[in-house]
Amino acid sequence: KNEVEQSPQNLTAQEGEFITINCSYSVGISALHWLQQHPGGGIVSLFMLSSGKKKHGRLIATINIQEKHSSLHITASHPRDSAVYICAARLQGGSEKLVFGKGTKLTVNP
Amino acid sequence: DTEVTQTPKHLVMGMTNKKSLKCEQHMGHRAMYWYKQKAKKPPELMFVYSYEKLSINESVPSRFSPECPNSSLLNLHLHALQPEDSALYLCASSQLLAGSNYEQYFGPGTRLTVT
Repeated sequence: KNEVEQSPQNLTAQEGEFITINCSYSVGISALHWLQQHPGGGIVSLFMLSSGKKKHGRLIATINIQEKHSSLHITASHPRDSAVYICAARLQGGSEKLVFGKGTKLTVNP
Repeated sequence: DTEVTQTPKHLVMGMTNKKSLKCEQHMGHRAMYWYKQKAKKPPELMFVYSYEKLSINESVPSRFSPECPNSSLLNLHLHALQPEDSALYLCASSQLLAGSNYEQYFGPGTRLTVT
């Protein structure tokens, strides 16, 4: 079992819909990262969380440390949000290593 | 400047060639990373440099040789690669301070094809 699990693996939505992507982890972490990767390459860091909730524009990320669970929400989704969203956990203990989930491929149709 | 740059963007090399991938950042970050990403898979960590010293090597074959000449530059030297090494190679950097968490900034990647 992967230490970081994401769901769903694929998600298709209509423009304007509210999107939720989930991430569960089974190990102690010091931080949880949400990343976005568009087709063709580069990865953009969206959020880094160690507790609570963060908001940036239409994106909201939450984390529940006790339940070892994080969610990424997209409000009023748009076709330009179509990308792969990856959660990655930084393990406790000071390591610089991130453990990645397998990613969620989001397609938002107009 | 919050950018990590990588060159080249694309590279095609034969199995007997020697080539190098380059990565540069001017954000004062003291941790730099090499990742390998195959299609439809998440990135896999290869190496981490902390304060210009190799701190993590994820059991990467010796045909991949990293180098950190200074705090802004990271190279990945390639020699005698195999076709299965074809992938997107991503560089990243982050701040580094004990007990703190920092975001990683990723470069656009080098798409490598080994023929």
